[in-house]
Amino acid sequence: GNSVTQMEGPVTLSEEAFLTINCTYTATGYPSLFWYVQYPGEGLQLLLKATKADDKGSNKGFEATYRKETTSFHLEKGSVQVSDSAVYFCAWSWGGKLTFGTGTRLQVTL
Amino acid sequence: SAVISQKPSRDICQRGTSLTIQCQVDSQVTMMFWYRQQPGQSLTLIATANQGSEATYESGFVIDKFPISRPNLTFSTLTVSNMSPEDSSIYLCSVATTAGGVGYEQYFGPGTRLTVT
Repeated sequence: GNSVTQMEGPVTLSEEAFLTINCTYTATGYPSLFWYVQYPGEGLQLLLKATKADDKGSNKGFEATYRKETTSFHLEKGSVQVSDSAVYFCAWSWGGKLTFGTGTRLQVTL
Repeated sequence: SAVISQKPSRDICQRGTSLTIQCQVDSQVTMMFWYRQQPGQSLTLIATANQGSEATYESGFVIDKFPISRPNLTFSTLTVSNMSPEDSSIYLCSVATTAGGVGYEQYFGPGTRLTVT
């Protein structure tokens, strides 16, 4: 069936380290892909998106590229900050409805 | 983007009672949804709130338990009926808007944190 598989957390990194959070999807057709972020005590925010193959979404130093051949949408950031500590959700959308991955908790330490 | 508000922000309810959650959007939107986020879990779609007709429920969710109203394009309510402790979750309203004519972007309200005792 249709699903999103995310790298399990928690992920703990030192500040300025490189971040990768893996995400792969199973879907019929070519859905839009998203990363959402949930900071502690806050609501869910759209971080970035890509709507077709080879599109790269980017925001706040985060990037993800829609890879049709590997059905992946891995999230990357070159240098994380303590303020990036949050839970990150990968999701795909078809017809406006979202299917979410399980979420990956990122903890960045000094 | 859309600005979404929800009321109440949190509540503690006794089992067997019902709670109605309101969702208000600052602009007219066609697509509105209700999600549930159980403690420490991801989000699960409950239903699509359809304006002027019955909501469309996802597998595992039924109208008797989660009745939904959508009287217009800016407002919806979700009722959690005959609550049990297993209903303790965050309930989120969301809307989908077209973004530059390519696909949709979905925005979420702040959520309603429900605890059932």
